[in-house]
Formats: sequence, C-alpha cells, structure tokens
Amino acid sequence: KQEVTQIPAALSVPEGENLVLNCSFTDSAIYNLQWFRQDPGKGLTSLLLIQSSQREQTSGRLNASLDKSSGRSTLYIAASQPGDSATYLCAVPYGQNFVFGPGTRLSVLP
Amino acid sequence: DTAVSQTPKYLVTQMGNDKSIKCEQNLGHDTMYWYKQDSKKFLKIMFSYNNKELIINETVPNRFSPKSPDKAHLNLHINSLELGDSAVYFCASSRAGTAYEQYFGPGTRLTVT
Repeated sequence: KQEVTQIPAALSVPEGENLVLNCSFTDSAIYNLQWFRQDPGKGLTSLLLIQSSQREQTSGRLNASLDKSSGRSTLYIAASQPGDSATYLCAVPYGQNFVFGPGTRLSVLP
Repeated sequence: DTAVSQTPKYLVTQMGNDKSIKCEQNLGHDTMYWYKQDSKKFLKIMFSYNNKELIINETVPNRFSPKSPDKAHLNLHINSLELGDSAVYFCASSRAGTAYEQYFGPGTRLTVT
C-alpha cells in the first residue's frame, strides 16, 4: 500500500526566505510525482509534474526534486512572497489512482 | 475558458436526501476523477473513470455512484445522504491514466444537516 507523508505540517516564514517542503512515499515504484497548491476554499492548482526519469523540474521560483530510491521529493521555493501562502500537497500514482499527502500549510509573513 | 468546472459550488441538504454534483472538462482528457476532502483537509480518491472503465475505491459506500454521459462529463450521485458525507468534493481530469498531470475543478462544498 502506498502512503504519502509531508513534513512539516505547517510552516510560517518571513517574506524573502528560501524554503523547502518535503514529501515522502513508501512505495518507490512510481513513475511520476505531482506538486499542487491549494488556496483556502479553492481547488488544487498543479505546480509541477516530475517524471521518474527526471531528478528535477523547475517553474519560476519553484524547483522540485525527486529521489525514487529514498522515497522522497522536495519542493524548493525561492524568495518567498505573501502570495505563496497556501497549502502545498504532493501526489503519486498508485495503481490506476493517486495518493495524496496531507499537505504543508505555508504562511509567508510580509 | 474554464478547464474543469463543477456545479453547484455549495450544496446544503438534509439527511436522507438524494443529490447530484456535476462535473465537466473541456480539456479533451480521457480520465476523470472524484475526490473527497474531509474536515481535516485530507484528500482521498473516490473514483476514476477512463474510457468507460470505472475504478472504485473500495472504501466508498455504494450510496455514491458516478455517471458519465460522455467523455467530457462525470457526475456524482449520492443517495440517502448522511451527516458524514459533509465534505468538499473535487472533480479532476487528466489525459489517459496516471502518467499525466491532473487538473482540478473548484470543488463543491456539501453540507448535510
């Protein structure tokens, strides 16, 4: 059974800091991992999809890495801004479905 | 140009009623999903539907049934609503299967009183 965890559960940082969010999964036989953000009362917005053949994927100030052998992915956010405040979730495929982590709630203080 | 849309956005109903939530995607995707997000914000898949093949999460009560009139739509029907069904329900879609990026709808907040 695939289980996904995320650390930390919540994070509060001052504006401008670089930060790292962590995602761990128990079954390393995955072929991709997706990072999402969810704003309060809203749906999920896809940030990055990283394939198992890739080690990193970048979009603007976001960089996601994937280490299948250790069952980990990290999402690096550079120069954080108040607009980055949201919950960040990772998800991996399992069978014909997806398993989501519980999310990291990020607050970036002005 | 909404990619994945859901209606209604809010749904308040009484226990025992039957209700439906509609989902439409205009991305040309082959696979659609329904998720439930409970009060603790944990997101769990309920169904995936790909080319008339339905994959059901074994924990989902049979009071819940997805219905797909065509590839662009996957509606969720819920019979005999219970208090524990109160949650936010999200529809999502992707190209065929789990190898591709998922796109989510805005969610439907269901409250059962």
